[in-house]
Amino acid sequence: SQQGEEDPQALSIQEGENATMNCSYKTSINNLQWYRQNSGRGLVHLILIRSNEREKHSGRLRVTLDTSKKSSSLLITASRAADTASYFCATEGSGTYKYIFGTGTRLKVLA
Amino acid sequence: GAGVSQSPRYKVAKRGQDVALRCDPISGHVSLFWYQQALGQGPEFLTYFQNEAQLDKSGLPSDRFFAERPEGSVSTLKIQRTQQEDSAVYLCASQGAANEKLFFGSGTQLSVL
Repeated sequence: SQQGEEDPQALSIQEGENATMNCSYKTSINNLQWYRQNSGRGLVHLILIRSNEREKHSGRLRVTLDTSKKSSSLLITASRAADTASYFCATEGSGTYKYIFGTGTRLKVLA
Repeated sequence: GAGVSQSPRYKVAKRGQDVALRCDPISGHVSLFWYQQALGQGPEFLTYFQNEAQLDKSGLPSDRFFAERPEGSVSTLKIQRTQQEDSAVYLCASQGAANEKLFFGSGTQLSVL
């Protein structure tokens, strides 16, 4: 079963607006990663945040991690139509090697 | 190689047939993962290799599923006596070092009729 749950399941915004997606997980982790998946394609890594970090930035992406609440958020600023995709969080549990993915947020950016 | 390569890209099988899905990871990557992704869902973990050793196969749904990586590079996921519920995209990922990002292939879309 999947450890992570993402919220919202689907999000539709206008180009230029910001998009925020949230991920909750169940057990302690080594790190949390966000991935993007275009329809019918493989997953592309966006950003990795370690359990001792609280915030990371990469271009238009900002990720936060709150280990006390077992949650993370991904913010995409100034969204573009090309950002339309599904976004997944993945957690590596402490003491394990495997990455468990969330249920995903389907983002649609309208031009 | 330039990236993770999976073949075939699409596979149609009749119920009861055996199938073999191939994954070529990035050269030198120690870790290799297999995931199953149903339509509209997130990837579900199947199994994990470190070099040729299969360290975790807890996600394999039944004993019809078998994975190997005999020389620590190319991996094959085999499904025996396929069932309709096996229809999904099978994703392979490799990782260069522990706690680092995963590199995914484009997946094999399996349809069992």
